[in-house]
Amino acid sequence: DIQMTQSPSSVSASIGDRVTITCRASQGIGSWLAWYRQKPGKAPELLIYAASSLQSGVPSRFSGSGSGTDFTLTISSLQPEDFATYYCQQGDSFPYIFGQGTKLEI
Amino acid sequence: QVQLQESDPGLVKPSQTLSLTCTVSGGSITSGSYYWSWIRQPAGKGLECIGRIYSSGNTYYNPSLKSRVTISIDTSKNQFSLELTSVTAADTAVYYCARDHRGDGGWYGGIDSWGQGSLVTVSS
Repeated sequence: DIQMTQSPSSVSASIGDRVTITCRASQGIGSWLAWYRQKPGKAPELLIYAASSLQSGVPSRFSGSGSGTDFTLTISSLQPEDFATYYCQQGDSFPYIFGQGTKLEI
Repeated sequence: QVQLQESDPGLVKPSQTLSLTCTVSGGSITSGSYYWSWIRQPAGKGLECIGRIYSSGNTYYNPSLKSRVTISIDTSKNQFSLELTSVTAADTAVYYCARDHRGDGGWYGGIDSWGQGSLVTVSS
């Protein structure tokens, strides 16, 4: 299976800050990477697909980049609802594997 | 907008079979380019894909669970289901049903719709 490694595992930030989370795949996955935000007690929600495409309805402060094995998620100006856990997920081959998560704290 | 809703089995005894059904509303389960998935999350831990099914009935299972998992689909009811046999405490988790967007040529659009999740506890 393809393994996904996120970093950092947690990060502290403030409202208005810019934050970047990275995700590394154990082998090349092209651009088939998705990012999700999960608020406590809720299902994950899709933010970015195909590494850099913004899901419909997602604010433009979210952006993604990368290809092959290295990917990033950037939140340009943190809002209160962004303090949550973020997951990357490879979509190149099944079984899909998620990263271990990055908890974004105030 | 499509919505997914898991059934609520609640408590399952060890060694028994966990059964969940996902009802899809606001769209047809036979829509092209979508697979229908089960994903689980133990408390305080990450996400694990269990398996997925296409409207044709083709299934894909996580090898780590394959010997215990069956996913089926009922297009007449717009539902798909999960059965997990011989459960143990390690199977205690929130189980999500979800829609997985896969297009032609391997194009991948992510898991774009999720149910609210169903907490399944394995305990005697």
